[in-house]
Amino acid sequence: EVELVDSGGGLVQPGGSLRLSCVASGFDFNIYWKSWLRQAPGKGLEWVATIKHDAREKYYVDSVKGRFTISRDYAENSMYLEMSSVRVEDTAVYYCARVSSVTTTGAALYFDLWGRGTLVTVSS
Amino acid sequence: QSALTQPPSASGSPGQSVTISCTGTSIDFGGYDYVAWYQQYPGKPPKLMIYEVNKRPSGVPDRFSGSKSGITASLTVSGLQAEDEGDYYCSSYAGGSNLDFGTGTKVTVL
Repeated sequence: EVELVDSGGGLVQPGGSLRLSCVASGFDFNIYWKSWLRQAPGKGLEWVATIKHDAREKYYVDSVKGRFTISRDYAENSMYLEMSSVRVEDTAVYYCARVSSVTTTGAALYFDLWGRGTLVTVSS
Repeated sequence: QSALTQPPSASGSPGQSVTISCTGTSIDFGGYDYVAWYQQYPGKPPKLMIYEVNKRPSGVPDRFSGSKSGITASLTVSGLQAEDEGDYYCSSYAGGSNLDFGTGTKVTVL
């Protein structure tokens, strides 16, 4: 079955760190651009970060630049999001997603496969 | 990034049509046809329903159609069915490496 399984969410204190994982099965995730998106409780969707298939290009939304790092593991067919210096406003369900189209400037345009999401709660 | 504006809710009876609007700026929609629509059920991840303004991924019923005029994109669901009830989000390229999403519309099948 073609699927993405994201995990690693939990409760973290402001200023703390967390690592999210996304493992793909049923297809070669390594040939795709990949992204993380998030959705705060009761709110809309927000793109967070994108990584090129060869990991040579990475892009972030302004609000997480310098705090979050996206990466991928070729051998594990997976992707990660390292979150540091987290803030209360980072509280959300985080989704990993497969990118089906990207611009020449690195913007992920469409996401045709999503993980089920993992909840990150930042609170003291 | 700024959110694209969608009506909070829309509704229709089974068999009827409902149209959801998505209003942005010239930055979002000017010169680009990179508009997508996602359907989301409660507690579930979004599902891509429309891309490049009016194209449907394999498996999406042709009851779903998209269009764009100026700085407003629209999603029309024809022949409403109970399973169409859910939240719908638009997205659009916003220049550079950025992507904007809409505020979301809750569709209710009466």
